[in-house]
Amino acid sequence: QPVLTQSSSASASLGSSVKLTCTLSSGHSSYIIAWHQQQPGKAPRYLMKLEGSGSYNKGSGVPDRFSGSSSGADRYLTISNLQSEDEADYYCETWDSNTSGVFGTGTKVTVL
Amino acid sequence: EVQLVQSGAEVKKPGESLKISCKGSGYSFTSYWIGWVRQMPGKGLEWMGIIYPGDSDTRYSPSFQGQVTISADKSISTAYLQWSSLKASDTAMYYCVRRITILDLIDYWGQGTLVTVSS
Repeated sequence: QPVLTQSSSASASLGSSVKLTCTLSSGHSSYIIAWHQQQPGKAPRYLMKLEGSGSYNKGSGVPDRFSGSSSGADRYLTISNLQSEDEADYYCETWDSNTSGVFGTGTKVTVL
Repeated sequence: EVQLVQSGAEVKKPGESLKISCKGSGYSFTSYWIGWVRQMPGKGLEWMGIIYPGDSDTRYSPSFQGQVTISADKSISTAYLQWSSLKASDTAMYYCVRRITILDLIDYWGQGTLVTVSS
């Protein structure tokens, strides 16, 4: 069963960039993941699907400021030109044969 | 436009039963999987289970097997999550989600249904 590891928090200044990491457990480094954003008090929103190659496909309406990349078992979400509305929790998700799905613990992004 | 519209908030007592719903529109309901995700107050996301409305093939996360029932009525494009006997620990926000295949990932979320269980 894959495990997704995320740092609990990250912060960056308005207009700068922040890079979030989701690390796949041993034996699962080739897995595709998805990134989801949950703004305070709202339902999560699908941002993108990200492959081990670094190729990604974004959801409808997701700003160009959001991009993805990969290195080995690490999957990254980079938010450029950080805006106040980007302050949110970010979760990664992948597929699991036992549960049908698994989420990371989430990273809380604070915009300074 | 793809939409997953969930039923409204519920307040129940321990031991009561409950069935919440998720209506899909803007796509072929029988061709995609519908899953359910739990978020307890102040906590992260937990995968509960998933159903294929086309043939009602259903899979449960081991943590939720036997605790809830997932079903679907394809004639009205609606999936359900139900409990036969609620506990206070079932208090949470519940989201329905869509997947293209069971091996794929979530691409749409419902707006959530808040379930509060309190005596």
